[in-house]
Amino acid sequence: EADIYQTPRYLVIGTGKKITLECSQTMGHDKMYWYQQDPGMELHLIHYSYGVNSTEKGDLSSESTVSRIRTEHFPLTLESARPSHTSQYLCASSAKYGTEGGDTQYFGPGTRLTVL
Amino acid sequence: AQKITQTQPGMFVQEKEAVTLDCTYDTSDPSYGLFWYKQPSSGEMIFLIYQGSYDQQNATEGRYSLNFQKARKSANLVISASQLGDSAMYFCAMREQGGSEKLVFGKGTKLTVNP
Repeated sequence: EADIYQTPRYLVIGTGKKITLECSQTMGHDKMYWYQQDPGMELHLIHYSYGVNSTEKGDLSSESTVSRIRTEHFPLTLESARPSHTSQYLCASSAKYGTEGGDTQYFGPGTRLTVL
Repeated sequence: AQKITQTQPGMFVQEKEAVTLDCTYDTSDPSYGLFWYKQPSSGEMIFLIYQGSYDQQNATEGRYSLNFQKARKSANLVISASQLGDSAMYFCAMREQGGSEKLVFGKGTKLTVNP
């Protein structure tokens, strides 16, 4: 069973606030990912990381930023939240390709963000 | 071009019956992986089953099996003996080896299991 955690689970915040969504995993996985998902829709990759000090933008343009200072921690930050940022944000991690189960991404429980 | 297509926005099945959720994919990469995830109303994504492009046999995990037809580029999920707790969104996803190993998701199928 995957051990990946996200906080907060739910967040309601006003426009213009700075927010950080936390994601941590205890599996020692090198790769971590952030996805954005609107209700009832598919997931879109917004950021990913192959390891410490490695971050890349995903397929969907996002105003958020990420950092990867520690293997286990991959926070996502919005400097100035807007109503268009209202969505669910899902964090995932996976081991190196070629290791057992390395292909599989395991997801955290998600953060449902509402910006008023 | 959409790489993962799930043509069934919604499916209904009676409890204890089997159901097939369709997924077709598009890739020119000879090495790829196919995944199915379940997303209950609580929002988390639960990994169900994986099929590698070079796997000779269809993947199975308990009540889940993957009907992999490589020539047709389809990877349908079969759930046997449906349970009420199977009601959820189901997403098919593909990872292309030649790229950055990112997952591309389909739009999902909402499965409802009726008692």
